[in-house]
Amino acid sequence: SAVISQKPSRDICQRGTSLTIQCQVDSQVTMMFWYRQQPGQSLTLIATANQGSEATYESGFVIDKFPISRPNLTFSTLTVSNMSPEDSSIYLCSVSSTDTQYFGPGTRLTVL
Amino acid sequence: QKEVEQNSGPLSVPEGAIASLNCTYSDRGSQSFFWYRQYSGKSPELIMSIYSNGDKEDGRFTAQLNKASQYVSLLIRDSQPSDSATYLCAVNWDRGSTLGRLYFGRGTQLTVWP
Repeated sequence: SAVISQKPSRDICQRGTSLTIQCQVDSQVTMMFWYRQQPGQSLTLIATANQGSEATYESGFVIDKFPISRPNLTFSTLTVSNMSPEDSSIYLCSVSSTDTQYFGPGTRLTVL
Repeated sequence: QKEVEQNSGPLSVPEGAIASLNCTYSDRGSQSFFWYRQYSGKSPELIMSIYSNGDKEDGRFTAQLNKASQYVSLLIRDSQPSDSATYLCAVNWDRGSTLGRLYFGRGTQLTVWP
């Protein structure tokens, strides 16, 4: 199984600022994803992080708000831009093998 | 629109009972189906996957899939207090050699009381 780490584990930010979340995997993986879990809610897919090309965003999510980088097969970043209190969530990265998707520990973001 | 619906619960069962969790999905093109368990404050962990119609058993867990009815369920036998968690149904629509995007239901909160 893949071991995934995320930084930071939590942060408290002021509205209007941006935060970049890092996701590191201990092995090379083809597929990486970013999810959001709002308080008391389930997971919502934000985008697929594509190595060497632009991320693929799900409906309701845009690159200007959630820019994603994927410079190699073990690392990705998600930036939450121009934050508002509605962005307070847990942000999780995940990676896929053939038939399993593993989740990182998450980044708990609070926007004041 | 890819939708995944779960009986929202909460579901409360006594220790030793069978817990039944249900999930329906909107798209007949769905490829594979998963049940994740999420303890409070933790990230989801995979407990069952199922790809074909019928039942799949793994220890105390049985997943059931009926593609014609677009329905997938999870049974937990001999429920234990340690099973108390939120159970998330997830569906994959992508075709490919590597598991693609997952779409999740809202989750069912299960409490097993001693």
